[in-house]
Amino acid sequence: EVQLVESGGDLAQPGGSLRLSCAASEFFLKRYYMTWIRQAPGKGLEWVANIKQDGSEKYYAASVNGRFTISRDNADNSLSLQMNSLTVEDTAVYFCARWAARYGFYYMDLWGKGTTVIVSS
Amino acid sequence: DIQMTQSPSSLSASVGDRVTITCRASQTISNYLNWYQQKAGKAPKVLIFAASTLESGVPSRFSGSGSGTDFSLTISSLQPEDFATYYCQQSYATPQTFGQGTKVEVK
Repeated sequence: EVQLVESGGDLAQPGGSLRLSCAASEFFLKRYYMTWIRQAPGKGLEWVANIKQDGSEKYYAASVNGRFTISRDNADNSLSLQMNSLTVEDTAVYFCARWAARYGFYYMDLWGKGTTVIVSS
Repeated sequence: DIQMTQSPSSLSASVGDRVTITCRASQTISNYLNWYQQKAGKAPKVLIFAASTLESGVPSRFSGSGSGTDFSLTISSLQPEDFATYYCQQSYATPQTFGQGTKVEVK
């Protein structure tokens, strides 16, 4: 089955670190622009970071820039998000998603089920 | 950053109703506009891309329109499985911002 599966979500202390992973199945991750999206409890969707197919370009939301690092291992068919200096505002479900390109337009056509990060003392 | 504003934030409707959600961008985004549906506890699912193109497998009761800064999502006849939260998202520029969501609830 074509899918994305996130892992690594956990309870962390403010100031701590976590590393999220996203494993791709039944498709080649290297062909796709990838993204992390998060959703705080009871809130809407917030874009976190993007990474180009070859990892040469990365983009971050202002709220995480300098603290989070997106990376990918195309040989392993996986995506990661290193999260440092965590704050309570980073508490959320984190989704990885794949960008599809059709007719010159881009949209996220495949999402993982999400992994939960709770930042609390 | 491009701000996306949806209205209403929530609405109550009955099965069979026609429902329209609007989304306004803070600057022109041509038709780089996507719509997603999210059910409670689940990941979002794309319904429409390029403002009006239905994703494969999405029922034809969903339709999208608009260009520039003003867009809409219409459900022609609401079904029980359509009670969910809907988000617009622009893919014109990074960051690819979302609207705040519209929750469609049972009347």
